[in-house]
Amino acid sequence: RKEVEQDPGPFNVPEGATVAFNCTYSNSASQSFFWYRQDCRKEPKLLMSVYSSGNEDGRFTAQLNRASQYISLLIRDSKLSDSATYLCVVNPGSGGYQKVTFGTGTKLQVIP
Amino acid sequence: ETGVTQTPRHLVMGMTNKKSLKCEQHLGHNAMYWYKQSAKKPLELMFVYSLEERVENNSVPSRFSPECPNSSHLFLHLHTLQPEDSALYLCASSQDFGGQGPNTGELFFGEGSRLTVL
Repeated sequence: RKEVEQDPGPFNVPEGATVAFNCTYSNSASQSFFWYRQDCRKEPKLLMSVYSSGNEDGRFTAQLNRASQYISLLIRDSKLSDSATYLCVVNPGSGGYQKVTFGTGTKLQVIP
Repeated sequence: ETGVTQTPRHLVMGMTNKKSLKCEQHLGHNAMYWYKQSAKKPLELMFVYSLEERVENNSVPSRFSPECPNSSHLFLHLHTLQPEDSALYLCASSQDFGGQGPNTGELFFGEGSRLTVL
């Protein structure tokens, strides 16, 4: 089983749609979780952290389910500018340097 | 000016060449990383330097040789590469709190050096 697994997509959705991505991780002792965004031919950038209680940042909502070992990202009212690859990132430890593991990413294409 | 800058942005080299990738961070961080990104594969951690000491090397072939002369600069020296080494090489930095501070999970990446080995 891969350490971090994502559906590669692509997800093609119309503007204004709601879209959700899931990600599963294999290490049950993982401590912290994140979503990164990577635009085409650009570097990855942190989108948001994922907290146990779930968290929201504008149109973006992240959820964590430790029992089932998956995290999710929900995007409401999709914009053309949301088109990118979304990377699920898991950190098995806490503190120190970032020992994160990246998923392969889920590609989102928002269509006019 | 971006926080992490990489040069060159593009590099084409033959299998017998020797070249180096350079990374510089202007964020005051104390940890720097080299990642490899290949098509349809997750980012692979190659090397980590924290407080200028190499703390992790994920069994990378010896044809890749890192160098970290200070906390702001990181190099990746390349020699006798193979065509399968063609990829995007990303440098990143972060703040290492030594286990005493918050784990923000935030890595700051450079724009990458796209390497093609002929």
